[in-house]
Amino acid sequence: AQSVTQLDSQVPVFEEAPVELRCNYSSSVSVYLFWYVQYPNQGLQLLLKYLSGSTLVKGINGFEAEFNKSQTSFHLRKPSVHISDTAEYFCAVLVLNTGFQKLVFGTGTRLLVSP
Amino acid sequence: DAGITQSPRHKVTETGTPVTLRCHQTENHRYMYWYRQDPGHGLRLIHYSYGVKDTDKGEVSDGYSVSRSKTEDFLLTLESATSSQTSVYFCAIASGTTTDTQYFGPGTRLTVL
Repeated sequence: AQSVTQLDSQVPVFEEAPVELRCNYSSSVSVYLFWYVQYPNQGLQLLLKYLSGSTLVKGINGFEAEFNKSQTSFHLRKPSVHISDTAEYFCAVLVLNTGFQKLVFGTGTRLLVSP
Repeated sequence: DAGITQSPRHKVTETGTPVTLRCHQTENHRYMYWYRQDPGHGLRLIHYSYGVKDTDKGEVSDGYSVSRSKTEDFLLTLESATSSQTSVYFCAIASGTTTDTQYFGPGTRLTVL
């Protein structure tokens, strides 16, 4: 079964520092990966996605992620974070079924940016 | 904004009462989903729909039922609410020519006392 692991439940970081949020997946078939962000008391917003092509994917708000097949990872990075990046981040893998697709989410990583 | 609204946004109810949550979309998307979000579990799929009157179970469907009589509305019903169903519920739709990208509603916070 396809699954996603986010090892870090919380990542504290200072403003303007770089950050990496880790995501590892398990899949025996073609992999389609996503990062979503959830700001306090809001729904989830798509940050970026990898379907095929370049392994370096750029998303909104200056985030990027790199698909690494050999390490089964899809880590999210930002070179310099802002206070406004404080949120919860979810990695997800698309599971392909006959005639239907669904997302399987990781447990989330809370990014805490302090001044 | 994918034109998704959820109602109510907050609800407190008592154990054993029926509860219905509504998801409404304005853009005629075929695929709709209900998730619940709980600390330490991320989002888990409850039910999904791939068309009017076409629905199926997700990974945590026990205690929940759904209905979709119109393209724009996807209803989630808790027949007899339990405290374990206290959660935040999100509706999502799949957009575009493929179904790979899901867009989420604002959520409904349900508390079962």
